[in-house]
Amino acid sequence: NAGVTQTPKFQVLKTGQSMTLQCAQDMNHNSMYWYRQDPGMGLRLIYYSASEGTTDKGEVPNGYNVSRLNKREFSLRLESAAPSQTSVYFCASSEWNADTQYFGPGTRLTVL
Amino acid sequence: DQQVKQNSPSLSVQEGRISILNCDYTNSMFDYFLWYKKYPAEGPTFLISISSIKDKNEDGRFTVFLNKSAKHLSLHIVPSQPGDSAVYFCAASEETGNQFYFGTGTSLTVIP
Repeated sequence: NAGVTQTPKFQVLKTGQSMTLQCAQDMNHNSMYWYRQDPGMGLRLIYYSASEGTTDKGEVPNGYNVSRLNKREFSLRLESAAPSQTSVYFCASSEWNADTQYFGPGTRLTVL
Repeated sequence: DQQVKQNSPSLSVQEGRISILNCDYTNSMFDYFLWYKKYPAEGPTFLISISSIKDKNEDGRFTVFLNKSAKHLSLHIVPSQPGDSAVYFCAASEETGNQFYFGTGTSLTVIP
């Protein structure tokens, strides 16, 4: 099993550009999450999807949108990237909401 | 405000000795706690969990202790090995909640 996969691994954007981060899981999990990790800040929840067809805001949703495409896939979109969105982004999944989460390898995003 | 705190950014321990990583929380409704381990350029990996009905959970060299009255949990690693060198995050959630709150992490270095 691949677990949770994320693409791309690295990305450099200019301010104002848009991009979509892709995440897929093969564990038949119901819930999926997007986090960002910044130095000294730990992991902060951006958006989550408790089950297919639902999405909800987390702690830091501003500037992001998400789509739960199907049970396997959960994408994160930056419509107009800003330097403050420079971070490492992690996708995670769990069998049920607030259950033990399993993380992907991360996407390192730099916005110039 | 940070609901889960790891006040020690770093810790160094000699190989073979005990490592003790600490975590404090402010929300008395938290009743499920996780520890994750993270190597550089990888996603966090689940290590061990504990629910509030227990005060101790053990898995091999790893033991987590929970003191609900003090709102404190700790992770003990005995004996510590160089491969344990990583960043450790604690996370907490409410039983009826919908997200985990993560601490800022403690970087453990085990010296051979």
